[in-house]
Amino acid sequence: AQSVAQPEDQVNVAEGNPLTVKCTYSVSGNPYLFWYVQYPNRGLQFLLKYITGDNLVKGSYGFEAEFNKSQTSFHLKKPSALVSDSALYFCAVRDDYNYGQNFVFGPGTRLSVLP
Amino acid sequence: SAVISQKPSRDICQRGTSLTIQCQVDSQVTMMFWYRQQPGQSLTLIATANQGSEATYESGFVIDKFPISRPNLTFSTLTVSNMSPEDSSIYLCSVALGQGYNEQFFGPGTRLTVL
Repeated sequence: AQSVAQPEDQVNVAEGNPLTVKCTYSVSGNPYLFWYVQYPNRGLQFLLKYITGDNLVKGSYGFEAEFNKSQTSFHLKKPSALVSDSALYFCAVRDDYNYGQNFVFGPGTRLSVLP
Repeated sequence: SAVISQKPSRDICQRGTSLTIQCQVDSQVTMMFWYRQQPGQSLTLIATANQGSEATYESGFVIDKFPISRPNLTFSTLTVSNMSPEDSSIYLCSVALGQGYNEQFFGPGTRLTVL
């Protein structure tokens, strides 16, 4: 079965500093990996995805993520954090081996960017 | 992409009553999902609602408690029946698009409070 872990409940970073939100996964086949962001009282917004190809994926709002197969990780990064990046971030995985399997979401990491 | 709306955006309900949540999509989609997000928690898939077939429920969710309709390719409803305070959650609908249905877009959610 597929699973996703986000080892940090909370990440605090100063504005202008680089940020990393960690995600590790477990799947039977090849992973399809996603990051979503949830702002207060809003639905989830898609940030980026990895399906195949370049391990470094660039997404919305200056975010990027690096797929590392050996470490089964897909950490979200941004070179310079903004206060407006403060939100709840979810990593999700889908397993291509079990086509038709639904997305599995991690527990979420709350990012606070301090001015 | 897809634009998804949900009604109501929020509601406060009495124990023992039922609430029907509507999900409207701006384009025809095959795969639609209903999720629950309990306070401070990640997303949990309730069921997959594909047009033309019965909804498929995940473990722990049953049709009598969460009946779903999918009358056409742009609309679905989720009913939360015989509500208790434990049903207080955000309920989100989503659709899967793109090659391999790897693009998932979410509605803004319905925030339900049961007294």
